Amino acid sequence: GNSVTQMEGPVTLSEEAFLTINCTYTATGYPSLFWYVQYPGEGLQLLLKATKADDKGSNKGFEATYRKETTSFHLEKGSVQVSDSAVYFCALSGNSGAGSYQLTFGKGTKLSVIP
Amino acid sequence: NAGVTQTPKFQVLKTGQSMTLQCAQDMNHNSMYWYRQDPGMGLRLIYYSASEGTTDKGEVPNGYNVSRLNKREFSLRLESAAPSQTSVYFCASSERGQGYNEQYFGPGTRLTVT
Repeated sequence: GNSVTQMEGPVTLSEEAFLTINCTYTATGYPSLFWYVQYPGEGLQLLLKATKADDKGSNKGFEATYRKETTSFHLEKGSVQVSDSAVYFCALSGNSGAGSYQLTFGKGTKLSVIP
Repeated sequence: NAGVTQTPKFQVLKTGQSMTLQCAQDMNHNSMYWYRQDPGMGLRLIYYSASEGTTDKGEVPNGYNVSRLNKREFSLRLESAAPSQTSVYFCASSERGQGYNEQYFGPGTRLTVT
């Protein structure tokens, strides 16, 4: 079945540091890939997505590239801010059949950015 | 435009009690979902409704039932709560069920079963 593995947290960075959160996946076919962010006390919200190989999703300074050859979708940001402190989830969705209705999530990576 | 709303925000139950978690969306979405979030486990799908009038089991359906009341509303029922059902529950919706559609999440219900 489908699975997502993302780097363990928590991750603590100083403001303006470079961020990478690794995400690799196992899936059949050609899944869509997502990064969701969860701020304290809130639900998840979509940060960015990519629906086919070599697509780059980007939003709010975050980027991730769909790498089919390495089955990866690593999240990066060049300069983090205190307001980026949150839990980040990598997720995938199948592109056909019943699996397309289901998001498979990684376990989440908690990011804390200190001034 | 409230998006996805959930009630209640917090609930404490005793083992064996029943309750229904309510979810509503005002985005005219066809598909709706119930997830649970447990520490170190990410989110796991309990049930989903691809369209009005249909419901299907997800990864962890045991101990739960759902009702798609109409296009807007999708409720989750615990008939006999157990401590293992202590979790944060999220409802979500999407325009259609296809994988590339964004899912929009509600703020969650924090449930404790003692």
